[in-house]
Amino acid sequence: KAGVTQTPRYLIKTRGQQVTLSCSPISGHRSVSWYQQTPGQGLQFLFEYFSETQRNKGNFPGRFSGRQFSNSRSEMNVSTLELGDSALYLCASSLLTSGEADTQYFGPGTRLTVL
Amino acid sequence: ILNVEQSPQSLHVQEGDSTNFTCSFPSSNFYALHWYRWETAKSPEALFVMTLNGDEKKKGRISATLNTKEGYSYLYIKGSQPEDSATYLCAPGAGAQKLVFGQGTRLTINP
Repeated sequence: KAGVTQTPRYLIKTRGQQVTLSCSPISGHRSVSWYQQTPGQGLQFLFEYFSETQRNKGNFPGRFSGRQFSNSRSEMNVSTLELGDSALYLCASSLLTSGEADTQYFGPGTRLTVL
Repeated sequence: ILNVEQSPQSLHVQEGDSTNFTCSFPSSNFYALHWYRWETAKSPEALFVMTLNGDEKKKGRISATLNTKEGYSYLYIKGSQPEDSATYLCAPGAGAQKLVFGQGTRLTINP
């Protein structure tokens, strides 16, 4: 079974631009979560989608948004990019059979650099 | 706010030695405790998901225990090998698939 895939793997943008990242979950997984990893803050939860609905959101500004499609693929968008948005963005998918005990499987991440 | 602490921050161990590290979290906001191994340039790899007080999980030379009443988990590695070099992350679940990660323990195995 193919793992979680993320595109693009690397991205360079300038301040003020917007960016869209894509995540394809493992086949059959309906929950997709997004995380941001920075050296100073570690891995931080952005949001989670299940059945095209955002169920949970982390403490990030409204510039960070996401959506999920009917095939469970998810996108996240960051508008008006700031230098501090430079980070590794990871998505993770889970099957959701055991609720909170479900394993989340991570993709390789998208490395975003904002200049 | 769920505050997750892992100690030590980094650890250097000789090949063949055993080691362990700690994850502390507020026991009142607990759903499940996840352990991940994250090697450089790879995706975080799930090791264990633990839910019950006193739970113990094992995968090869790696094992973990959980104390939900006092809010801590230990990860043990027996007979460390160079391929065990990685950052080990713990993450309590905080509802609806939200994992709150600690800063991790960076383990380096010296041959």
